[in-house]
Amino acid sequence: DVKVTQSSRYLVKRTGEKVFLECVQDMDHENMFWYRQDPGLGLRLIYFSYDVKMKEKGDIPEGYSVSREKKERFSLILESASTNQTSMYLCASSLATRGEKLFFGSGTQLSVL
Amino acid sequence: AQTVTQSQPEMSVQEAETVTLSCTYDTSESDYYLFWYKQPPSRQMILVIRQEAYKQQNATENRFSVNFQKAAKSFSLKISDSQLGDAAMYFCAYETWNYGGSQGNLIFGKGTKLSVKP
Repeated sequence: DVKVTQSSRYLVKRTGEKVFLECVQDMDHENMFWYRQDPGLGLRLIYFSYDVKMKEKGDIPEGYSVSREKKERFSLILESASTNQTSMYLCASSLATRGEKLFFGSGTQLSVL
Repeated sequence: AQTVTQSQPEMSVQEAETVTLSCTYDTSESDYYLFWYKQPPSRQMILVIRQEAYKQQNATENRFSVNFQKAAKSFSLKISDSQLGDAAMYFCAYETWNYGGSQGNLIFGKGTKLSVKP
């Protein structure tokens, strides 16, 4: 069974901490994505990557950075966590072909206190 | 810029009945893909159905079907014979595509929470 694995299901951090959210896929997908999900706002794209060491900003990249050193792993970094970054974070991957479906991880619920 | 609008934040349906979730979008493209994703309480998003804009025929997947009206930019999801397991958040999504870079991503609507009453 294909899998996208997010390292933590729940995470609690303090304001100002550097936070790493890890995502690993086992499907040899070229594309990987980080979305943020908030009630009433749906999913909003933070960053995506279409190849190793490549990254593109999404709609809400401020306060975030990403790293993709290996094809299967895509990390989201909160350089200095703030309370307004408390949210559900979803990682996804897909083949680099039009119309391909996204495979999602189970999400990380991050609380910044 | 493309946008996706789901006008129904919440919907409710009786078990075994039929329900339709609405989605409209805005784009100047002529060929594109549209999707419906389901997110149950487990949070695992899964694809329900997909439609290519160039295909005339509406997509169907078992009890799930779409009513795709290209001119009206409407893409509604019909769930027939609703089951308790259909209770979830449903997201409509539009695929943007950068032909120059051969890459794309999804723009999601805000979601519709579907409840199924026994």
